[in-house]
Amino acid sequence: GENVEQHPSTLSVQEGDSAVIKCTYSDSASNYFPWYKQELGKRPQLIIDIRSNVGEKKDQRIAVTLNKTAKHFSLHITETQPEDSAVYFCAATKNSGGSNYKLTFGKGTLLTVNP
Amino acid sequence: ETGVTQTPRHLVMGMTNKKSLKCEQHLGHNAMYWYKQSAKKPLELMFVYNFKEQTENNSVPSRFSPECPNSSHLFLHLHTLQPEDSALYLCASRRQVDQPQHFGDGTRLSIL
Repeated sequence: GENVEQHPSTLSVQEGDSAVIKCTYSDSASNYFPWYKQELGKRPQLIIDIRSNVGEKKDQRIAVTLNKTAKHFSLHITETQPEDSAVYFCAATKNSGGSNYKLTFGKGTLLTVNP
Repeated sequence: ETGVTQTPRHLVMGMTNKKSLKCEQHLGHNAMYWYKQSAKKPLELMFVYNFKEQTENNSVPSRFSPECPNSSHLFLHLHTLQPEDSALYLCASRRQVDQPQHFGDGTRLSIL
């Protein structure tokens, strides 16, 4: 089955700096990669996603890049703010095979933005 | 408003009790999920239902029993739980494979 590795497990940055979280996946057939943000005591919320037919997607201060050859994708947050502090999860899935409704999550990255 | 509603939000129960968690979505999604989230641990997939059929049971102990009567409702029946089962239980739903999962707010379960 799919295996998703996420690094780093914790990340501390100063307000205004950029933050980068990286994930690798094992199944080359995976073709959908969402990122979720989970604030303390709250539910995970989708912040951005990317499909395998594109290499990069941007939404204001957040961007995701995908390298299918290397099987890794990354979340980039620019001009970080204290409210960006949360746990971020990457995930991967594919639309074929018996597990086509299963999303495999990384272990999460605790991002702390220091004011 | 997430579109996925979980009840109750908090539950405290003894190890001999029987209780049920409920999840409801009115997003027209076809797949529903149960996840367990413990402190400092990643999301652990428990069960997946696709068009009311269970397609995944991630080696979950039998003291957890899921039920999916229709594509809008999902239950997790609990009995004789252990203290290590204390966690946040999250429900999610998704329309199709390349669409994001929408999570509920979760049920915070504490086993005494």
